[in-house]
Amino acid sequence: QVQLQESGPGLVKPSQTLSLTCTVSGDSISRGGYFWSWIRQRPGKGLEWIGYIYFSGTTYYNPSLQSRVTMSVDTSKNQFSLKLTSVTAADTAVYYCARGATSLDDAFDMWGQGTMVTVSS
Amino acid sequence: SSELTQDPAVSVALGQTVTITCQGDSLRSYYASWYQQKPGQAPVLVIYGKKNRPSGIPDRFSGSSSGNTASLTITGAQAEDEADYYCTSRDSSGNLLWLFGGGTKLTVL
Repeated sequence: QVQLQESGPGLVKPSQTLSLTCTVSGDSISRGGYFWSWIRQRPGKGLEWIGYIYFSGTTYYNPSLQSRVTMSVDTSKNQFSLKLTSVTAADTAVYYCARGATSLDDAFDMWGQGTMVTVSS
Repeated sequence: SSELTQDPAVSVALGQTVTITCQGDSLRSYYASWYQQKPGQAPVLVIYGKKNRPSGIPDRFSGSSSGNTASLTITGAQAEDEADYYCTSRDSSGNLLWLFGGGTKLTVL
């Protein structure tokens, strides 16, 4: 059973960098046919796609966040990561990592439990 | 435009049938997938592709699509189906990104 688990600080100061890691267990992140995504949900709001990364390192980001987002992958640790720079209170959200499957018409079939990140001084 | 539109809230009587819709230009080119989210929990995939259900999802959940509209139908809604439902699809405007609908809160009366 594939599982995804987010980890990282729950509190980040304004203007600093939010850093999160998603650890994948139960399968290799290097297996083809999947893309590894970050999705967030502001309190009381809907879901927002942040971007995704392939195991090769190819990335695609939401244009609205592109200037502040960097994703990376560490296949040796079966992890992928998110960095969001210059955060403000508007970046306060639950951050989910998720697996997208090309075999499922690009649906996100596995999700982490989510981690709450608060931006506050 | 690059967006998916959902009704904010829908209600259904216990045991009855309800359809939740999602509209957007991208749905003319890509299938929608549908997610159920209960309070405090991560979203769960319930429908993907033309009308496919992942294993473990009850067969009362079904999907369909026509033109720029995708639909999620629950036939014989149960109390445990009360949740937020989100649609998503790839953007067809040339940007390599995913769109999410604003979500529909389903209340089972």
